[in-house]
Amino acid sequence: DQQVKQNSPSLSVQEGRISILNCDYTNSMFDYFLWYKKYPAEGPTFLISISSIKDKNEDGRFTVFLNKSAKHLSLHIVPSQPGDSAVYFCAASEGAGGTSYGKLTFGQGTILTVHP
Amino acid sequence: GAVVSQHPSWVICKSGTSVKIECRSLDFQATTMFWYRQFPKQSLMLMATSNEGSKATYEQGVEKDKFLINHASLTLSTLTVTSAHPEDSSFYICSARDLGGFSGELFFGEGSRLTVL
Repeated sequence: DQQVKQNSPSLSVQEGRISILNCDYTNSMFDYFLWYKKYPAEGPTFLISISSIKDKNEDGRFTVFLNKSAKHLSLHIVPSQPGDSAVYFCAASEGAGGTSYGKLTFGQGTILTVHP
Repeated sequence: GAVVSQHPSWVICKSGTSVKIECRSLDFQATTMFWYRQFPKQSLMLMATSNEGSKATYEQGVEKDKFLINHASLTLSTLTVTSAHPEDSSFYICSARDLGGFSGELFFGEGSRLTVL
C-alpha cells in the first residue's frame, strides 16, 4: 500500500522556468511533510518542509504548498536551474509522541531535468 | 547542520560473505536511527528503526536475521548484511534525528552502495 505517491516519474523543464513537482498521500494521520533532493550515489538532502497547520511554506526559490482536503502537496522551484537536476522525494510523517516519531514514508521520487 | 556519516561509502563482496555498514552522528546524539534501502529507480524503503540500547524494530518483510542492526551508543548504529547474495545489492542509507531537532527533520548519511558478486 503506497501511502505517499509521486505519479510523475520524470519532469523536464527549461532553465529559468518553473518546476512543479506533485505528491499525493492517503494517510490522514500524516501531519508533517518534507521534500528531499537526491543526486546519484548520494544520500538525500533536506530541502523544505511544511506542517499540516500551514498551507504554504517558502524558502528562497523553493515553495511547498499543502492542500489537506485533497491530500496533495506540491513543490515549486522558481526559477529552475540546471543544478536543480536531481531526484526529488516527498516524504510524510505522522504526529510526534508515538513510536513512529521521526519515521518517514517516502514517495517514489520524480527525476527533474532542467535544461540550459 | 548536523552531520551523519556512513562507512564504507561503497563495498563489493562475494556472495555468502557478511558486510557491516556503520552510521555515525558526528555532532549530535541520536537515540533513534533509521535504515533505508533503495533499489534503482525506486523509492527509499524503511527497513528498520534502530533504538539505542534495545532491539531494532523491523518493517514488515525485512528479515531481521539477515539484516542485523546494532545501536550500541548514542552516536553509532551498524547494519550487518549477513550471508549476502546478489539480490542484496542496493544502496543503503541511514538517518538520525537530533534529540533537539524538530519533528520529522532527519539528517541522512551519504549512503553505502553494496554490490554482491
